[in-house]
Amino acid sequence: KAGVTQTPRYLIKTRGQQVTLSCSPISGHRSVSWYQQTPGQGLQFLFEYFSETQRNKGNFPGRFSGRQFSNSRSEMNVSTLELGDSALYLCASSLVPAYSGNTIYFGEGSWLTVV
Amino acid sequence: TQLLEQSPQFLSIQEGENLTVYCNSSSVFSSLQWYRQEPGEGPVLLVTVVTGGEVKKLKRLTFQFGDARKDSSLHITAAQPGDTGLYLCAGGRETSGSRLTFGEGTQLTVNP
Repeated sequence: KAGVTQTPRYLIKTRGQQVTLSCSPISGHRSVSWYQQTPGQGLQFLFEYFSETQRNKGNFPGRFSGRQFSNSRSEMNVSTLELGDSALYLCASSLVPAYSGNTIYFGEGSWLTVV
Repeated sequence: TQLLEQSPQFLSIQEGENLTVYCNSSSVFSSLQWYRQEPGEGPVLLVTVVTGGEVKKLKRLTFQFGDARKDSSLHITAAQPGDTGLYLCAGGRETSGSRLTFGEGTQLTVNP
C-alpha cells in the first residue's frame, strides 16, 4: 500500500510569507502528526490530529497551525515565515494515536527554505 | 532540555567492525523506537521495544530496552557500507499519543 505522501517536497519562501504543507496518511490511518527537523534542534513534535481534532501540541508559536480533514488528510500552515523556520517538515501517520507498540510511519518530508 | 541523550553523535568505522549506539534518559518511556534516516528522506522505523529488558534482533542489528525502560541500545554486528545513515531513537508515552521524543541522532558512516 502507498506510504505517507507529503507535498510539496521542496519549496522556497520569502520571510513574511506563509506556507501550507500537505500530508496524505497511509490508507486507513486516522492519526497524523507533524514534526520539524533542523540540524540544531533535531526532530521536534509540532502537533497531532485524530478524527479532525488536535490532540496534542508541541512548544511552537501560534504561527504554526494545522488541521485534519474528514478523509484524514492533513495540512500544516506556517504564517509570517522567519529564517529559522527553514527545516524539513515531516508528517507521520498511524492507525490511531500511537502508544506502546503502535507503529508510526513517516513521509519523506517537505523541505522548506526561507530566504 | 533534551530528554533522550544519544551517544555517540558521530561514528566512522570500517566495514566488518561492530558498534553500539546508546540512548539514555532520566525518564521512563512506554515504548522506544529506533529509526534510520538517509539524507533527504524521512525516518524509517527499524524496531519498537515496549517491555523492560526486551531484546529484538533484526538480522545484524540487536536492540535492547533497559529493565527500567529509561534506556536502550542498538548493536550492529559486522557493519556494512549500506548501514550508513542517521540512527534516531525516539521515546513514546501512553499518555502522549503519537508525540515522540527524539534523541539527537547518531550519524554512522561505514567505510568500505
